[in-house]
Order: sequence, then structure tokens, then C-alpha cells
Amino acid sequence: AQSVTQLDSQVPVFEEAPVELRCNYSSSVSVYLFWYVQYPNQGLQLLLKYLSGSTLVKGINGFEAEFNKSQTSFHLRKPSVHISDTAEYFCAVSDGEGGKLIFGQGTELSVKP
Amino acid sequence: NAGVMQNPRHLVRRRGQEARLRCSPMKGHSHVYWYRQLPEEGLKFMVYLQKENIIDESGMPKERFSAEFPKEGPSILRIQQVVRGDSAAYFCASSPPGQGAFYNEQFFGPGTRLTVL
Repeated sequence: AQSVTQLDSQVPVFEEAPVELRCNYSSSVSVYLFWYVQYPNQGLQLLLKYLSGSTLVKGINGFEAEFNKSQTSFHLRKPSVHISDTAEYFCAVSDGEGGKLIFGQGTELSVKP
Repeated sequence: NAGVMQNPRHLVRRRGQEARLRCSPMKGHSHVYWYRQLPEEGLKFMVYLQKENIIDESGMPKERFSAEFPKEGPSILRIQQVVRGDSAAYFCASSPPGQGAFYNEQFFGPGTRLTVL
């Protein structure tokens, strides 16, 4: 069975500092990986996705993630965060049959001035 | 070009009542997914539907929960005889047809926050 583990439940960081949100997955099938962001009281918005090809994926809002098959990781990074990046971030893996998403527990990113 | 619509946004029910949550997918989307987010947890898959068909309901509780996506109208998630443990945010997502849903982005609605008193 597929599963996703987000290693940090909360990440506080100062504005303009770099940030990395960690995500590890387990899967016995081909892997399709996603990062979503959820702002308070809103739905989820796709940041980026890995389906195949280049292991470095660039997304919206200056975020990027690197797929590392040997370490079964898909960490999300941003070189310089803004206050507006404060939100909950979810890593997800797609079930190959039908496309349902298996989510991690989420990481709350808190950017402080 | 409206996104995924869910209503109501907030729903309060007393124990034993029924809750009906509605989801209108984006125009042209024929795949609908329902997820539940319990407090302090990530989203958990519940059910995957296409028009008039339930494709995967492996995440649905065996009792009291049902879902449909009729030929016309929104998808409905129905919870009968609600209990306090049903209090959660319920999110609907949709994706377009073709190439298998997992190649396509799932667009999420704003969610319905159900509170059971």
C-alpha cells in the first residue's frame, strides 16, 4: 500500500529565509507525486507535480521539489519565503488505479517578519 | 470559468440528522473525488465517481455514507444519522476526462465544514 510521511508538522521560518518541507513516500508501483497548498478555510491548490522526466520540478510561487527515487523522497523547497507563504502544505502520491490521492499529514509553514 | 463549487460551506447538524453535501465540478470535468479532513490530519480519500458510476469507494465508511454523481446535477455526499465523529471538512475535487485521472490535476473546491452537535 502507498503511504506518505511528512516529517515536520510545523516549520517556523523568518521572511526571506530558505525553507525545505520534507516528504517521504512508499509505493510499490510507478510514482506520481504532488505538493498542494491550503490557505486557511480554503481548498487545496496544486503547487507542482512529478509524473516523469526531470527529477527537479518547478512550480508556482517560486517553489520547486526534487524527486529522489533512491531515498523515496520528494522534498519541497523555496530559496526565499514571504509572509504570504504562510499556509498548510500537503504532499501526496497518486494511486495508479483511478488517480485517488494519498496525502501526508501536512506541514504548517509559518513565516515570521 | 468557475472552479469547483461546494455548498453549503458550513453545515451544522444534530446527532441523528442527515447531512447532504453538494459538489459541482468544473465545466467539462467528468471525474469527481471526495476527501475528508479530520482536525489535525491530512485529507483521506473517500470515493471516486464518474457520471452515474461509482468507480472506487474503498475509503467510504461501510454504513451511513453514500455518494452519487447523477447524469444531471451536482455530486452528492450523503451522511445519514450523523455522529460527532463525522465533524470534519469534506472536500470535493474534479478532473477532466482522458489519459487516466492521475495524469490530470485534481482541482479542489473550498470544502464543506460539517459540525455535529
